[in-house]
Amino acid sequence: GEDVEQSLFLSVREGDSSVINCTYTDSSSTYLYWYKQEPGAGLQLLTYIFSNMDMKQDQRLTVLLNKKDKHLSLRIADTQTGDSAIYFCAESEKPGGSYIPTFGRGTSLIVHP
Amino acid sequence: DVKVTQSSRYLVKRTGEKVFLECVQDMDHENMFWYRQDPGLGLRLIYFSYDVKMKEKGDIPEGYSVSREKKERFSLILESASTNQTSMYLCASITAGVGYTFGSGTRLTVV
Repeated sequence: GEDVEQSLFLSVREGDSSVINCTYTDSSSTYLYWYKQEPGAGLQLLTYIFSNMDMKQDQRLTVLLNKKDKHLSLRIADTQTGDSAIYFCAESEKPGGSYIPTFGRGTSLIVHP
Repeated sequence: DVKVTQSSRYLVKRTGEKVFLECVQDMDHENMFWYRQDPGLGLRLIYFSYDVKMKEKGDIPEGYSVSREKKERFSLILESASTNQTSMYLCASITAGVGYTFGSGTRLTVV
């Protein structure tokens, strides 16, 4: 079946850039997502990218997709302590209907002052 | 914005009790989902529903059931709570366009 892999932890200093990596196995993945979960809260959709795109930028966030290697990354520029959270990578063929996203186990980002 | 509301943030129940976790969404979405989240295991899908009175098993349905009598409400039922069901439970609804909208979660402790 489909699989999504992420490293479990990342520690960075405030002001540095963070890069969270994700690999997936399903070659029919069309939508790739990044979700953020703050302590004690549900998951919040942070950004997403379609498989026909290589890059998407949204303010401090940059998503890079290497479809050949099935590798997705999320770069957070000028990381702040408020960025400390768990970040989940997810993929699906299509949104909604019978296409249920497959989630990674999440990467805990720890930002040191 | 789509809202997914879970009725309780924290619950403490006794072993053997019947437990109801409620989830309501306000955007007329057909698809709703229940996940549990445990440290190191990520999200695991328990049940999902495509429409009223329809339900499908996810990856870990044992010990759980669901009810979808109205489109906006999807309930997760623990027929006889056990300590290994202590977890964070997350409800989600498909957002128009892409991605899920999640509720804030219910942290259930079974003692």
